[in-house]
Amino acid sequence: AQSVTQLDSQVPVFEEAPVELRCNYSSSVSVYLFWYVQYPNQGLQLLLKYLSGSTLVKGINGFEAEFNKSQTSFHLRKPSVHISDTAEYFCAVSGQGGSEKLVFGKGTKLTVNP
Amino acid sequence: GAGVSQSPRYKVAKRGQDVALRCDPISGHVSLFWYQQALGQGPEFLTYFQNEAQLDKSGLPSDRFFAERPEGSVSTLKIQRTQQEDSAVYLCASSLYRANYGYTFGSGTRLTVV
Repeated sequence: AQSVTQLDSQVPVFEEAPVELRCNYSSSVSVYLFWYVQYPNQGLQLLLKYLSGSTLVKGINGFEAEFNKSQTSFHLRKPSVHISDTAEYFCAVSGQGGSEKLVFGKGTKLTVNP
Repeated sequence: GAGVSQSPRYKVAKRGQDVALRCDPISGHVSLFWYQQALGQGPEFLTYFQNEAQLDKSGLPSDRFFAERPEGSVSTLKIQRTQQEDSAVYLCASSLYRANYGYTFGSGTRLTVV
């Protein structure tokens, strides 16, 4: 079984500042890792995913994440945020094999202030 | 279609009423998932289909919840005798085949049981 811990429930930042949203996972098997963004009253949109290969993954909207197997982490970063990045961000893990269902963290609410 | 379509967008049910939620996945997508997202929480897995076969229903919270995908495309999630704790957003996601192809989520159905 897999589990995900998002260490911060809320992260307030100022516009154009850098941001890091933290995610740790546990699993007894190899995993795929994902970050999703959810805007109010909308579904989930994939930001980026790690399947294999390079541990630094680049996604949409200028976001990137780094897979660290030894620390079982997959933190999301953006060097300069915009007001429009205000949303809920979810880290998710899928165990390779089986149904490959996604297990989500509880989410981090990113608020970008002017 | 271009995306995953869910209907209705909103549903208000009286306690004890039966409801049916519909999901139209992306054409050709083999895998289909249902998730339940309570207010302020991350999505939680309910069930998984590969074509018409329901391969994992371990997340269904009770025998009041039933899902089907009879022809391997459209899926329906049925909740019998709704209770207040069933109030949540129900999300559907589809994938071409497996996790590494990525999941596309619908906008969800917000169910409120009064």
